[in-house]
Amino acid sequence: DVKVTQSSRYLVKRTGEKVFLECVQDMDHENMFWYRQDPGLGLRLIYFSYDVKMKEKGDIPEGYSVSREKKERFSLILESASTNQTSMYLCASRVSGNTIYFGEGSWLTVV
Amino acid sequence: QQQVKQSPQSLIVQKGGIPIINCAYENTAFDYFPWYQQFPGKGPALLIAIRPDVSEKKEGRFTISFNKSAKQFSLHIMDSQPGDSATYFCAASRGASGTYKYIFGTGTRLKVLA
Repeated sequence: DVKVTQSSRYLVKRTGEKVFLECVQDMDHENMFWYRQDPGLGLRLIYFSYDVKMKEKGDIPEGYSVSREKKERFSLILESASTNQTSMYLCASRVSGNTIYFGEGSWLTVV
Repeated sequence: QQQVKQSPQSLIVQKGGIPIINCAYENTAFDYFPWYQQFPGKGPALLIAIRPDVSEKKEGRFTISFNKSAKQFSLHIMDSQPGDSATYFCAASRGASGTYKYIFGTGTRLKVLA
């Protein structure tokens, strides 16, 4: 069974705080992704990584950075959280072929 | 050219009905079209997917119809059940690019009445 784990399910942070969202997969996948989900906007790609220390910007990278020091872990970083970053964040991992699997999501509220 | 347009935004059907959700894309380089199902508080889960070399794919009560010339694809749910009430997302990706990035539609919230 594919397992993509987002350790923090619900977070409340203050404006200006640095926020780390962690994602771990246990299947030696090369490609990992961070999406943001907002009502009426669907899922939008923030960043993705196709190997350790390799990353590329997605469609909405502003205000975010990522880190992939180990193959199994892909972290999303909000350097200075703002209220417009209140959202659900979804990590995904590519198993094989084209299929990607999602974690359960991390709900972030910035106050 | 990277957009995937999904409609309707929401849909209510009676139990046993056949809800149909439509998606349209522009980029002819897309070569993989999955549908994801998402229940409240959960991440999206892969439901069914199709490649452009076939016009239809069926898995259980779920069917994808694909029209390559019109650049459209749709999800049909046969004999819908209240347990199918969820949000459905279509997506498109281009595996040949090597990045496997997905472009998602904006989602359809389906409610199946008992």
